[in-house]
Amino acid sequence: GENVEQHPSTLSVQEGDSAVIKCTYSDSASNYFPWYKQELGKRPQLIIDIRSNVGEKKDQRIAVTLNKTAKHFSLHITETQPEDSAVYFCAASQTGANSKLTFGKGITLSVRP
Amino acid sequence: DAGVIQSPRHEVTEMGQEVTLRCKPISGHDYLFWYRQTMMRGLELLIYFNNNVPIDDSGMPEDRFSAKMPNASFSTLKIQPSEPRDSAVYFCASSWGSGYTFGSGTRLTVV
Repeated sequence: GENVEQHPSTLSVQEGDSAVIKCTYSDSASNYFPWYKQELGKRPQLIIDIRSNVGEKKDQRIAVTLNKTAKHFSLHITETQPEDSAVYFCAASQTGANSKLTFGKGITLSVRP
Repeated sequence: DAGVIQSPRHEVTEMGQEVTLRCKPISGHDYLFWYRQTMMRGLELLIYFNNNVPIDDSGMPEDRFSAKMPNASFSTLKIQPSEPRDSAVYFCASSWGSGYTFGSGTRLTVV
């Protein structure tokens, strides 16, 4: 089955700097890659997703890039703010958005004021 | 739309007792997922349904766990008997189109 790994497990950045969170996946058939943000004690929430037919997608300060050859995808956050501090999960699935997602273990991002 | 609604938010029970977690998906969403979250194992898929039919229950850890979806607006996850190692946050999520919407979760503590 699919295996999704995230690197690093924790990341600390200064407010205003950029943060990059990387994920690798194992199943070359995976074609949908969402990112979720989970604040302490709250539910995971979808922040951006990408499908395998595109290489990059942006939404304001966040972007996701996908390298299907290398089987990795990354979340980029620019101009980080303290409210970006949270756990970020990447995930992958084979048959589209409705199929079961395999999640990475999550990365704790801390933005220092 | 009130989103995915889970109840109870917190449950503390004694080992050996039966526990029932409840979920109401977003109206119109035809997929429903049950996940368990722990520090050690992260988010694990337990079971998911499509149009009320269980599609994949390979993540259900043991026979002590069971899930049902009697109609499009309601699902339950039951643990009987419960054990301390079942302590975790249990999330329900529903989907139609793109991405999941998670409920607020049920924090289960088995003592």
